[in-house]
Amino acid sequence: GNSVTQMEGPVTLSEEAFLTINCTYTATGYPSLFWYVQYPGEGLQLLLKATKADDKGSNKGFEATYRKETTSFHLEKGSVQVSDSAVYFCALIGTNTGNQFYFGTGTSLTVIP
Amino acid sequence: DSGVTQTPKHLITATGQRVTLRCSPRSGDLSVYWYQQSLDQGLQFLIQYYNGEERAKGNILERFSAQQFPDLHSELNLSSLELGDSALYFCASSVGLNKETQYFGPGTRLLVL
Repeated sequence: GNSVTQMEGPVTLSEEAFLTINCTYTATGYPSLFWYVQYPGEGLQLLLKATKADDKGSNKGFEATYRKETTSFHLEKGSVQVSDSAVYFCALIGTNTGNQFYFGTGTSLTVIP
Repeated sequence: DSGVTQTPKHLITATGQRVTLRCSPRSGDLSVYWYQQSLDQGLQFLIQYYNGEERAKGNILERFSAQQFPDLHSELNLSSLELGDSALYFCASSVGLNKETQYFGPGTRLLVL
């Protein structure tokens, strides 16, 4: 079946530090992969996505590369800001499963000045 | 602002009661999804509708039901409420069915006392 595993949080970083949030997946076929972000008190917002192997999604300084050989989609940012404090969700849409999302458990990030 | 609206924002009710949550998708989106977010279960897919018809079911309890109306808005009905139903309920929408980005509403926070 389809599933997503994210690194456990919470993660606390100082401003301008490098961020990596690990995400690995299990899926048959060729899933599409997503990162969503949830700011306090708000709904989920799409951060970036990749639809095929070796694609790199990027947005607002965040990047993630779809690695089929390692079944991974790790989220990275070179220099985090206090405003990046949020919960980050990795998700996939599998093949032949309609448009149903499978979400990871979420990783809480706090960036301190 | 994702363009998906949900009402009400907050709902407080008692065990055994019934509530209805409402969602209006983005203009032009035909698919609507419902998710439950709780501390212990994470983000769980409940059900999906496409152009008025049910397309996929996830971890939705029999006490819960949903429908999508001809104007494409959707309602999630929760009955015989239990304390454990307290959660954030999100609606999301997408244009179609095939590995598409879903746009999330701000959520309805339900508290069952």
